Amino acid sequence: EPEVTQTPSHQVTQMGQEVILRCVPISNHLYFYWYRQILGQKVEFLVSFYNNEISEKSEIFDDQFSVERPDGSNFTLKIRSTKLEDSAMYFCASRSLFRPGANVLTFGAGSRLTVL
Amino acid sequence: QQQVKQSPQSLIVQKGGISIINCAYENTAFDYFPWYQQFPGKGPALLIAIRPDVSEKKEGRFTISFNKSAKQFSLHIMDSQPGDSATYFCAASSMNYGGSQGNLIFGKGTKLSVKP
Repeated sequence: EPEVTQTPSHQVTQMGQEVILRCVPISNHLYFYWYRQILGQKVEFLVSFYNNEISEKSEIFDDQFSVERPDGSNFTLKIRSTKLEDSAMYFCASRSLFRPGANVLTFGAGSRLTVL
Repeated sequence: QQQVKQSPQSLIVQKGGISIINCAYENTAFDYFPWYQQFPGKGPALLIAIRPDVSEKKEGRFTISFNKSAKQFSLHIMDSQPGDSATYFCAASSMNYGGSQGNLIFGKGTKLSVKP
């Protein structure tokens, strides 16, 4: 079964450092997303990306965050200057445009970010 | 108006029993209501989903009941098994509304424990 792959699985960084989280979405999917989940809390939408541009972002996704699709396969989330409160599990997801799976978001296993 | 309220926060059920998790929403533009299952250390995985044109959808032991007028939907797990022990998230989205395609709004989650 096709899956969304995320790296690294766990990253520990110092406050103020830049972090890049990487994702390889399912190959024929065209919508890409980042969500985050602070430990023990709900999954929160960060940003959606389609046709090489951001289609929607939440208020969490401030100027410290950016996304990029640098090539045909990777989708990255960059946090420019990490804060303690950025510690969370970050999930990448992707979605096809075509039926029957057009509504289904497939999530990766997540990248755990710990900011010290 | 973008919130999805989920209850209970945690649930303990005996093997063979029925697990019931409830969600309520406010935004009438929501037209897609999935349930996601998450095991520790894994990303959320789609379990079952419903559109508002039907009041019930059943897949195996899992049933979604949907009440459009009350803006509520619930997940029923029949004959609950220890392997069902996980965190369950309800979510909602406006799949047909431009600019919000696939932006899932998640509930806070319900931790289900099924005792043998």
